[in-house]
Amino acid sequence: KNEVEQSPQNLTAQEGEFITINCSYSVGISALHWLQQHPGGGIVSLFMLSSGKKKHGRLIATINIQEKHSSLHITASHPRDSAVYICAVGLLGGSQGNLIFGKGTKLSVKP
Amino acid sequence: DAGITQSPRHKVTETGTPVTLRCHQTENHRYMYWYRQDPGHGLRLIHYSYGVKDTDKGEVSDGYSVSRSKTEDFLLTLESATSSQTSVYFCAIRGQGHYGYTFGSGTRLTVV
Repeated sequence: KNEVEQSPQNLTAQEGEFITINCSYSVGISALHWLQQHPGGGIVSLFMLSSGKKKHGRLIATINIQEKHSSLHITASHPRDSAVYICAVGLLGGSQGNLIFGKGTKLSVKP
Repeated sequence: DAGITQSPRHKVTETGTPVTLRCHQTENHRYMYWYRQDPGHGLRLIHYSYGVKDTDKGEVSDGYSVSRSKTEDFLLTLESATSSQTSVYFCAIRGQGHYGYTFGSGTRLTVV
């Protein structure tokens, strides 16, 4: 089924590196969400996108609707960025707002 | 930010016993969702609600029921818990804000 695919599944980086996490989807969407989950923690919404690009601090999210692809970038990565990053999409025409989730990318940033 | 709390945070229960998890919101949002999170799977929708007494099934609803008698509370019940229902359960609400969705802190349920 896998309507939302993320890559890579696991990512290890050194502190300070530029990081990219990718999300591809196969359905028509109303919006795409990037979420963050720290080990043992809750889920925090980072971005909601329907077009273009958004930036918040060191995090940048982009989306290409034609290619059905989104990327999450982290600049100047830090150990506190270690978490699972989850991509989720809301279906176009899905009036109840249910999200379809990717399986997540586990990021580990080493000092 | 919207206020959403889940209770309990952790629970261990025996196979065959009923269990109820509670999700409480303080923002008067219409839509509420229950998801479960398991290794190797993305979050999967169990049930959702689009208003008081209005609920519908999600992808993995077998063995679960829900109730919403007040806007602020959405209850998830496992009528007779099984080991396959050992999971982390998240409640979410959909609002009109910048991020669209707010998630609770999760309930870790273990069925022994």
